[in-house]
Amino acid sequence: EAGVAQSPRYKIIEKRQSVAFWCNPISGHATLYWYQQILGQGPKLLIQFQNNGVVDDSQLPKDRFSAERLKGVDSTLKIQPAKLEDSAVYLCASTLGVTSGGAVTDTQYFGPGTRLTVL
Amino acid sequence: QQQVKQSPQSLIVQKGGIPIINCAYENTAFDYFPWYQQFPGKGPALLIAIRPDVSEKKEGRFTISFNKSAKQFSLHIMDSQPGDSATYFCAASNPDKLIFGTGTRLQVFP
Repeated sequence: EAGVAQSPRYKIIEKRQSVAFWCNPISGHATLYWYQQILGQGPKLLIQFQNNGVVDDSQLPKDRFSAERLKGVDSTLKIQPAKLEDSAVYLCASTLGVTSGGAVTDTQYFGPGTRLTVL
Repeated sequence: QQQVKQSPQSLIVQKGGIPIINCAYENTAFDYFPWYQQFPGKGPALLIAIRPDVSEKKEGRFTISFNKSAKQFSLHIMDSQPGDSATYFCAASNPDKLIFGTGTRLQVFP
């Protein structure tokens, strides 16, 4: 099966500009996550969607970051305006969510990420 | 309490060696402990995972040891190969939000 797709793979912008990232999860995966991975650190959750609803956005800097998953499939993450400290890799992950048997599936499948450099 | 502490930060072993990476957590509500492997330019990929009702799990050359009372778990890589050179992250979740450790960069030399 196809994996999680992300684009673009790389983006360089100047501070105060805006940028958007796109994610297409694995087909049928109800839960979608956006993570920020700063160089030398582990991924940090920004936002979690269940279908097209937000489950957790407590770590999302809402003054500059926004995300949507309008039809419960693809998602976009936007930063406006960008700051120098936003330089990082932005990872999208998806998981099946809940199986037909009612069990919660935990395995998150990650995309290759978008490397953002803010100058 | 939501942190997962990982050590060492980097590890260098020779081919055939057994690198060991350690993680510790505080939140006893965590109930799923995966290890992810990440190669440069790639996203993390699930390597192996354990739940707190077992003390050890093996998959091929990879073993997780889990100590519930000490709130610690570790990854052992048997007969390590140069292809194992990557960054390894431990994580913990409850129920579906992963908290990652800071990562261990492993280099395996021939």
